[in-house]
Amino acid sequence: QKEVEQDPGPLSVPEGAIVSLNCTYSNSAFQYFMWYRQYSRKGPELLMYTYSSGNKEDGRFTAQVDKSSKYISLFIRDSQPSDSATYLCAMRTGRRALTFGSGTRLQVQP
Amino acid sequence: DADVTQTPRNRITKTGKRIMLECSQTKGHDRMYWYRQDPGLGLQLIYYSFDVKDINKGEISDGYSVSRQAQAKFSLSLESAIPNQTALYFCATSDTPGGWGTGELFFGEGSRLTVL
Repeated sequence: QKEVEQDPGPLSVPEGAIVSLNCTYSNSAFQYFMWYRQYSRKGPELLMYTYSSGNKEDGRFTAQVDKSSKYISLFIRDSQPSDSATYLCAMRTGRRALTFGSGTRLQVQP
Repeated sequence: DADVTQTPRNRITKTGKRIMLECSQTKGHDRMYWYRQDPGLGLQLIYYSFDVKDINKGEISDGYSVSRQAQAKFSLSLESAIPNQTALYFCATSDTPGGWGTGELFFGEGSRLTVL
């Protein structure tokens, strides 16, 4: 079993929809949680970073971490065609490199 | 120009050939990484280097080697390429004093390698 599970999608939504992207994990030692966004033919770029449990908001994006359920989410409000990309969750303990999810491909239809 | 530059961007080669993927960066970061991306598997760490004299194996280093020629250059070699090394390879950098920090990595645009 992978340490980090992520539904590969594709997830197709109409413009303006609220998008929910999720990851589950098995290692309770993970403390740092990130979301990376990867456009086609590009490298990933950091979108959101959260330490431990709780919520973090940045514009249309909200990251949530529920350590008791080993579950993290990324919400995108008022989704735009420019949000079409692959979203990778990533997480780590204090002493190890990042462990990435396999990524969810999102398509926002105009 | 890109801060993290990978060459070549695309390469097709045959089984048994030696291949080198090169990475150079202008971000001034000490830490450099090589990842492999496969459909359904996400990004897997091959090797990482915290400075020129510090090179470490990642989770899938078998069949690969690296060279850190300078702070700005980190090369990945496949000594004898095999078809299951067909993948998208990414170089990344980070600038995190002490420990792994926030985990922000700055990626190149990738090198697509096909081994026939």
